[in-house]
Amino acid sequence: DAGVIQSPRHEVTEMGQEVTLRCKPISGHDYLFWYRQTMMRGLELLIYFNNNVPIDDSGMPEDRFSAKMPNASFSTLKIQPSEPRDSAVYFCASSPGLAGGRETQYFGPGTRLLVL
Amino acid sequence: AQTVTQSQPEMSVQEAETVTLSCTYDTSESNYYLFWYKQPPSRQMILVIRQEAYKQQNATENRFSVNFQKAAKSFSLKISDSQLGDTAMYFCAIVGGSQGNLIFGKGTKLSVKP
Repeated sequence: DAGVIQSPRHEVTEMGQEVTLRCKPISGHDYLFWYRQTMMRGLELLIYFNNNVPIDDSGMPEDRFSAKMPNASFSTLKIQPSEPRDSAVYFCASSPGLAGGRETQYFGPGTRLLVL
Repeated sequence: AQTVTQSQPEMSVQEAETVTLSCTYDTSESNYYLFWYKQPPSRQMILVIRQEAYKQQNATENRFSVNFQKAAKSFSLKISDSQLGDTAMYFCAIVGGSQGNLIFGKGTKLSVKP
């Protein structure tokens, strides 16, 4: 299997621009997670989906952030408008199923976002 | 709420020696799972080892093993015969109950010196 695929790997944009991050989970995985990693806050959950339905979006910082999962093989995380404090590494992860956490989450390579 | 604490921001070890990374956690869940992830300079998050809380036996994966002390809520990672490729950030994480996402510690930066 190809693993979790994220694109782009790097993104540099200017403040106020729209940014779209993309993720393709491992085939057959029912759960998809978006995490953000910063020096100040470490790794934190933004949102996660089960069978394409958002389950917990309590980590989404504000209305500028939105995430969708139109089908089992694709998800997007959009920031509009972007701000310098959004600069971070954004990870997508997928797992076969929660089952009380027995299922390991497999991470993509991450997208490094820099907002100038 | 679940929390994870890694009290060692940085550690170093000589190649071929053994090192132990500390992790403590807090949870009110009875059914939970603990993980160690490795993040090398490439930034990829790689699963090292996982432990199911209801299992008494400590998990092992080749050179990696854990010391799981449930009553003390401690979950340390031991790396034996350290190799240069073990140089990375190591994150301890917990997931449990109805919450599906991982809760991570702040990480420990491990340097293996030749």
